[in-house]
Amino acid sequence: NAGVTQTPKFQVLKTGQSMTLQCAQDMNHEYMSWYRQDPGMGLRLIHYSVGAGITDQGEVPNGYNVSRSTTEDFPLRLLSAAPSQTSVYFCASSRGTSSYEQYFGPGTRLTVT
Amino acid sequence: LAKTTQPISMDSYEGQEVNITCSHNNIATNDYITWYQQFPSQGPRFIIQGYKTKVTNEVASLFIPADRKSSTLSLPRVSLSDTAVYYCLVVPLGANNLFFGTGTRLTVIP
Repeated sequence: NAGVTQTPKFQVLKTGQSMTLQCAQDMNHEYMSWYRQDPGMGLRLIHYSVGAGITDQGEVPNGYNVSRSTTEDFPLRLLSAAPSQTSVYFCASSRGTSSYEQYFGPGTRLTVT
Repeated sequence: LAKTTQPISMDSYEGQEVNITCSHNNIATNDYITWYQQFPSQGPRFIIQGYKTKVTNEVASLFIPADRKSSTLSLPRVSLSDTAVYYCLVVPLGANNLFFGTGTRLTVIP
């Protein structure tokens, strides 16, 4: 199993550009989520999904959209990038509703200039 | 959600046992205590989870007193590769979402 994969690893955007961060998992996990981590900080939840077709907002959802058309994929869309969205983005997945053991991807480092 | 408080940083020499204590005074009856580890430039990794008393796995031990208002993560005989940030989380039973604080930055010194 590849686990949780994220692409790209690094990305530089100009203010106002849009892009999609990709996340995929091959563990047939129902629950998937996106976090952002700013320097020296813990992770903050952006959006999450408890299954295909179901998404909900986390702690810091503004400026981001998600969709979940398949169990495997959970892309994160930045609608109009802003410098405040410069961060490291992590995708995670877990089985069912028991979220204690979540599996995290390697992260995408995004810089918005 | 119960707030957690843990040291910002700790240093330890190789081969020593390290204990990281987390305070969660407002923990609820259906909350579980969960610890994650994050190496530089990587995503967090689940280490251990418990409800009360002691839990041990191949990586660490977790000690939880009867009142559950604190917990201690114990790492036996640390090595340089244990240098990481350690997060203590309180997670309600059945909850989907994790809330991370700033964690404890452990530095292992040769």
